[in-house]
Parts: sequence; C-alpha cells; structure tokens
Amino acid sequence: ILNVEQSPQSLHVQEGDSTNFTCSFPSSNFYALHWYRWETAKSPEALFVMTLNGDEKKKGRISATLNTKEGYSYLYIKGSQPEDSATYLCAFYGSARQLTFGSGTQLTVLP
Amino acid sequence: DTGVSQDPRHKITKRGQNVTFRCDPISEHNRLYWYRQTLGQGPEFLTYFQNEAQLEKSRLLSDRFSAERPKGSFSTLEIQRTEQGDSAMYLCASSPGGGRDTQYFGPGTRLTVL
Repeated sequence: ILNVEQSPQSLHVQEGDSTNFTCSFPSSNFYALHWYRWETAKSPEALFVMTLNGDEKKKGRISATLNTKEGYSYLYIKGSQPEDSATYLCAFYGSARQLTFGSGTQLTVLP
Repeated sequence: DTGVSQDPRHKITKRGQNVTFRCDPISEHNRLYWYRQTLGQGPEFLTYFQNEAQLEKSRLLSDRFSAERPKGSFSTLEIQRTEQGDSAMYLCASSPGGGRDTQYFGPGTRLTVL
C-alpha cells in the first residue's frame, strides 16, 4: 500500500501571509506528482503535474517544488488571499498506473 | 461547457437499494477514472477506462460495485445492495492520456445511504 502524507492537516493564516505545505511520497517507481486545489462544493482543480527531480512550477502566487530522490514536494502560496481557502491535495502516480492521493491540507485564509 | 459533468449531484437512498451514477467526460479524452472520497480523506482510486476498455478494476470496493463505459463515451458506476458504509462522494475524472497528464474532475455525486 502506497503512503502519501500531507502536512499540516489544516492551517489558518492571515490575509497577506505566505504559507507552505508538504507532501511526502515513495521515492521509488515515481512517474509524476500532481497537485490539486479543492474548494467546497466545486470540482477539484488541477494546479501542477510535476515529473522531473528539481522541477519548480509556478501559477500566479502559487508555486511548487519537487524532490523525487527524497520523496517530497512543497507547495507555496505567497501573499495568501481569502479566495485561496481550500483543501490542497497532492497525488502520487507510479508504476501502479493510478493516482494515490494524500489526505490534503485544509487552508483557511482569514481576512 | 466542456468540463466533466456528473449526474446526479446528490443521491439519498435506503440500504439495500441499487444506485447508478453517470459521468460525461471531456469529449476528446480517452481515459476516464472513478474515485471515492470520504470525510477527511483524499480521493481513493476505484477503476479506470481507456476508451471502452476497463483496464483496472481490482480496486473496486466489492463485487457490488461495477462500472461501464459503452462506446468509450460516458460512463456509469453502479452500486448494488447499498450499505451505509457506501455513503461518500463519488468523483469522476478524465484525461487525454496516462498518468503524467492532468486529470480533470467533475463535481462529484454525494451518496447518502440511510
């Protein structure tokens, strides 16, 4: 059974703060690491698909890094806004050819 | 709208009844996936299709669960003889190709079994 861990489980920050979350995953049989944002009552929204060790991706104020050798990825949000409030999920895609999700980090940005 | 759609959005049923959910993927996407999500957990993979072929179904939770994708277009997920433990959000996603491709999710069907 694959183990994909996310921390922290939940996080409250003030508007304007920068924050980051961690996703840890198996370092063997790695194909890709996906990040999603899931707002209440909406569909999960894809943020990034990362495939190469050392990858860094950016989308507006959100960025992510990837270390496949040690099995972790960081997601950063710069200058958090209330609309960033959501659950952030990472998912590992390996040789089993299916996505294994972590339990997510629930972010609340307080105005 | 060209996103993934699911129907119904909510379903309340009594224990022992059969339920069927539908997923319409993005039209040019070959792959279609089903997931289940329970409170406090991330989505859990159930099964997937490449066009009309079901390539993985060992993760379906029991033989009460079955999925089809006739003609490689929409898909249905059926749960027979529902149990209270089947209460969950059932998500569908589609992608152009394999696991390095982004999966696009629908809004899910929330099932409540009384």
